[in-house]
Amino acid sequence: EAGVAQSPRYKIIEKRQSVAFWCNPISGHATLYWYQQILGQGPKLLIQFQNNGVVDDSQLPKDRFSAERLKGVDSTLKIQPAKLEDSAVYLCASSDNTFSSGRSTDTQYFGPGTRLTVL
Amino acid sequence: AQSVTQLGSHVSVSEGALVLLRCNYSSSVPPYLFWYVQYPNQGLQLLLKYTTGATLVKGINGFEAEFKKSETSFHLTKPSAHMSDAAEYFCAARGNQGGKLIFGQGTELSVKP
Repeated sequence: EAGVAQSPRYKIIEKRQSVAFWCNPISGHATLYWYQQILGQGPKLLIQFQNNGVVDDSQLPKDRFSAERLKGVDSTLKIQPAKLEDSAVYLCASSDNTFSSGRSTDTQYFGPGTRLTVL
Repeated sequence: AQSVTQLGSHVSVSEGALVLLRCNYSSSVPPYLFWYVQYPNQGLQLLLKYTTGATLVKGINGFEAEFKKSETSFHLTKPSAHMSDAAEYFCAARGNQGGKLIFGQGTELSVKP
């Protein structure tokens, strides 16, 4: 089974430029997550999709970040314009959203991430 | 609000020694708990998870963790460290209805020959 794919793996841009990241989840996984991992910290959720609908985007800086998941499969995360503090690894994860006895039993599987450096 | 605290940002052990990485959670309802490992320039790989049932959970690569509700802890252990265990380890929690993972700040494990 193929894992979560992300591209590019590395990106260097100057502040105020725009950048986009792409994620292709594991086939059949309905839920897709984007996390931001700043150096020395644990990942923090930016946005969660269920199929092509947004479930949670409360931590997404909507003035500069946007994300979409057209057709409920792959997803794109965009930053425009980028700031120095956006330097981080952007991780995409997916899960199959399975339930047992009314409780979620799913596991989130992570891609390799995109390391963004903003100069 | 749910939170996860990992005690010690860096842990160093000798090869063959016991590995103990500490994780405590704060939640009004016992969450589902996970340990992930991250090797340099790679994504997160699941080591093990606790959802319900047996409180001692065995994972990959010889790791195990025990859920202790009374101590709100989920510490990760391995009896004998190997050089290949050197990596960053993250403890995470989420509710039983799915959704986002809340991560600790991570613990970097170094293994000395």
